[in-house]
Amino acid sequence: DAGVTQSPTHLIKTRGQHVTLRCSPISGHKSVSWYQQVLGQGPQFIFQYYEKEERGRGNFPDRFSARQFPNYSSELNVNALLLGDSALYLCASSSLREGAKNIQYFGAGTRLSVL
Amino acid sequence: SQQGEEDPQALSIQEGENATMNCSYKTSINNLQWYRQNSGRGLVHLILIRSNEREKHSGRLRVTLDTSKKSSSLLITASRAADTASYFCATDADQAGTALIFGKGTTLSVSS
Repeated sequence: DAGVTQSPTHLIKTRGQHVTLRCSPISGHKSVSWYQQVLGQGPQFIFQYYEKEERGRGNFPDRFSARQFPNYSSELNVNALLLGDSALYLCASSSLREGAKNIQYFGAGTRLSVL
Repeated sequence: SQQGEEDPQALSIQEGENATMNCSYKTSINNLQWYRQNSGRGLVHLILIRSNEREKHSGRLRVTLDTSKKSSSLLITASRAADTASYFCATDADQAGTALIFGKGTTLSVSS
């Protein structure tokens, strides 16, 4: 079975531009979460979606938005890019059928560089 | 913001030695998980320990949890060069299971 897939793997943008990152969860998983990982730090939670509804949002500005589609894939959008948005963006899926376990399965990430 | 801190930030050992890394967190939790990350790639789940458990084993991994001290430790026994990676603890304080809150990680280097 395929794991969590993210595209693109690498992306270079300039300040002020917009970016869309994509994620396909593991088959059967209905929950998708997005994390930002700056170099040398642990991942920081951005969003979680479950059954196309937003279930949680981290401390990120409104320039960050996301959505989940009927097939449970997801997009993360970032507007008006800043240099500080340069990071590895990780998508994780979870079945949530395991109750409170919340084990998350991560994709390989999208490396975003803002120049 | 980060939930807590891993200690040490970096650890260098020889193959065959044991590696111990610690994690402290700030708020009450449902469970605590450890993840591994190879060189800026995705994270891989290693082990989960519930808040009512004190110790858990999985292969060469041993995790302990002390909720009174809000701390956990991960022991990797008989380490191998392939264990070289960054290790993160993550807590899940939300009953509904939304955010995982990660620490800053311990970078483990195992030399042969």
